[in-house]
Amino acid sequence: EVQLVDSGGDLVQPGGSLRLSCAASGFTFSQFWMTWVRQAPGKGLEWVAIINEDGSEKYYVDSVKGRFTISRDNAKKSLFLQMNSLRIEDTAEYYCVRGRGGGYWGPGTLVTVSS
Amino acid sequence: DVVMTQSPLSLPVTVGQPASISCRSSQSLVDSDGDTFLSWFQQRPGQSPRLLIYEVSYRDSGVPDRFSGSGSGTDFTLNINRVEAEDVGVYYCMQVTHWPGTFGQGTKVEIK
Repeated sequence: EVQLVDSGGDLVQPGGSLRLSCAASGFTFSQFWMTWVRQAPGKGLEWVAIINEDGSEKYYVDSVKGRFTISRDNAKKSLFLQMNSLRIEDTAEYYCVRGRGGGYWGPGTLVTVSS
Repeated sequence: DVVMTQSPLSLPVTVGQPASISCRSSQSLVDSDGDTFLSWFQQRPGQSPRLLIYEVSYRDSGVPDRFSGSGSGTDFTLNINRVEAEDVGVYYCMQVTHWPGTFGQGTKVEIK
């Protein structure tokens, strides 16, 4: 059974940092692109970043470029999102998603940026 | 960035009747290999989104066959053949042909 478990969300002050993790199981992790998608409270979905199978290609939405870094560890079947210089508008539920087309979603982890 | 525009944003439907959601992109979603990376998702209240349709018209595993996707280029449609009460939720289209990926605003489906 495919499972994605997001973690690392927390309350952080503006300007702070967080590292989100996603533990994958039930499929060959190294064979899939992986994506982060976020959803602000009561709002729609926003695509954040994607990484290819071996980590050589990464793409970001403009609003996080230079602040967020997506990475992966295929040996540990894990996906990461390093989030620096956090802003209030980064407050959202963050979902780890398998693939380019969005096949499986984790339960989400809540990031709250507030003073 | 590619702008995805869904309509309507709110869709009251009667159980057993058909429903249709439109998604238009600001540029063609056909890539250089002829592939079109347009997906549809359902998000029920309090749940993570679920993939319904990928690459315009391929139904994901376990998705009821009352859901279908169609379209090409910049114009796409999600159809629900006969709406059931469990179909209540918000539906999103997403393109990942061009980077960054982008979502439509979402269409809220509710039962009349």
